[in-house]
Amino acid sequence: EVQLVQSGAEVRKPGESLRISCKGSGFAFTGYWITWVRQMPGKGLEWMGKIDPSDSYTQHSPSIRGHFTISVDKSNSTAYLQWSSLKASDTAVYYCARQSGETGMALDYWGQGTVVTVSS
Amino acid sequence: QSALTQPASLSGSPGQSITISCSGMNNDDDAYNYVSWYQQYPGEVPKLLIFDVNHRPAAVSSRFVGSKSGNTASLTISGLQAEDEADYYCSSYIGSKRPPFVFGTGTKVTVL
Repeated sequence: EVQLVQSGAEVRKPGESLRISCKGSGFAFTGYWITWVRQMPGKGLEWMGKIDPSDSYTQHSPSIRGHFTISVDKSNSTAYLQWSSLKASDTAVYYCARQSGETGMALDYWGQGTVVTVSS
Repeated sequence: QSALTQPASLSGSPGQSITISCSGMNNDDDAYNYVSWYQQYPGEVPKLLIFDVNHRPAAVSSRFVGSKSGNTASLTISGLQAEDEADYYCSSYIGSKRPPFVFGTGTKVTVL
């Protein structure tokens, strides 16, 4: 069974750092891209970026680029999303999803989401 | 790619059909546009409904039909049911574009 299991909810203060994770199982992790999607409270889905676990090649959204880093540890089938200095506006639910060529580059499996709250 | 535009809300009665539009799709001949649609219930994880314009994953009802004409993609829900009340998002992937992936603004479907 394909699964993406994300790390638990986090509460941080502005300026603090954070790394959340997304562990894949039930599929060949290096054969698919992992995408990160942001959903701010009451808002829609936003594509943040993706990583190819086979070579760690990443692409980021130009509108929110530079504020976060996407990385991967393919030996542990885990992708990461991290911030070095959080802002209150980073408060959101973050989803990882598998992007598959088998389904027309769609996001066919999703993690359960990680709620990140940034508040002083 | 630019953000894709969807109607903020649509409603229909049980048994009716509704069509959600998604405009702003790339219409160039030099790049294939992979269109997909997602359904999201409040507080839940998005679910893939349609991929590659008009293909359904095995577990998705045939009441959901995707199409594309020019720079507009559409999702038609036929035989509307109470369980269809949710948010729906279109998306577009074009590998040669920056960004390569973009979501639509989302549509809230209400079943009257």
